[in-house]
Amino acid sequence: EAGVAQSPRYKIIEKRQSVAFWCNPISGHATLYWYQQILGQGPKLLIQFQNNGVVDDSQLPKDRFSAERLKGVDSTLKIQPAKLEDSAVYLCASTLTGAHEQYFGPGTRLTVT
Amino acid sequence: AQSVTQPDIHITVSEGASLELRCNYSYGATPYLFWYVQSPGQGLQLLLKYFSGDTLVQGIKGFEAEFKRSQSSFNLRKPSVHWSDAAEYFCAVGPNFGNEKLTFGTGTRLTIIP
Repeated sequence: EAGVAQSPRYKIIEKRQSVAFWCNPISGHATLYWYQQILGQGPKLLIQFQNNGVVDDSQLPKDRFSAERLKGVDSTLKIQPAKLEDSAVYLCASTLTGAHEQYFGPGTRLTVT
Repeated sequence: AQSVTQPDIHITVSEGASLELRCNYSYGATPYLFWYVQSPGQGLQLLLKYFSGDTLVQGIKGFEAEFKRSQSSFNLRKPSVHWSDAAEYFCAVGPNFGNEKLTFGTGTRLTIIP
């Protein structure tokens, strides 16, 4: 069974530029999560989707971050414009409906200079 | 609100020695508890989980954890560590119904010395 796929693995941009990350969850997993992991900290949930609907985006900085999950499968997370403090690893995870175990992708390491 | 505390930022142990990583949680009801491991440049891999029943749970790679309700703890243990166990370890707590967000601790970095 293929795991959660993410791309790109690494991205370096200058502040005020925009960037987008892509996630493909495990086949059949209806719930998808985006986490932000700042160096030295645990992952923090940014947004949770159930199919193509948003369940929780309470910690998403909506003035600069956006996310979508068209057709309830792949998802993209966008930052526009980026700030220095957005430097982090962005992790995508997925689960089956009603399940507790989240399966994580390898993450995208973003460096904002 | 749920929270997780991992009091040890960094632990160093000798290869072959035993290991215990501490985790304390705060949650209003019976939580679901998890330990994840993150190797450099990798995503998080689930080591083990506790939902209910036997308070001593076995995981992958020879790890185990014990749920102690009276102490609000879920410590991770391994009797003999291997050099390949060097990684970052995260404890997480979630509510006892599915598809809800996990709250992670800040992690414990494990270094193994020969």
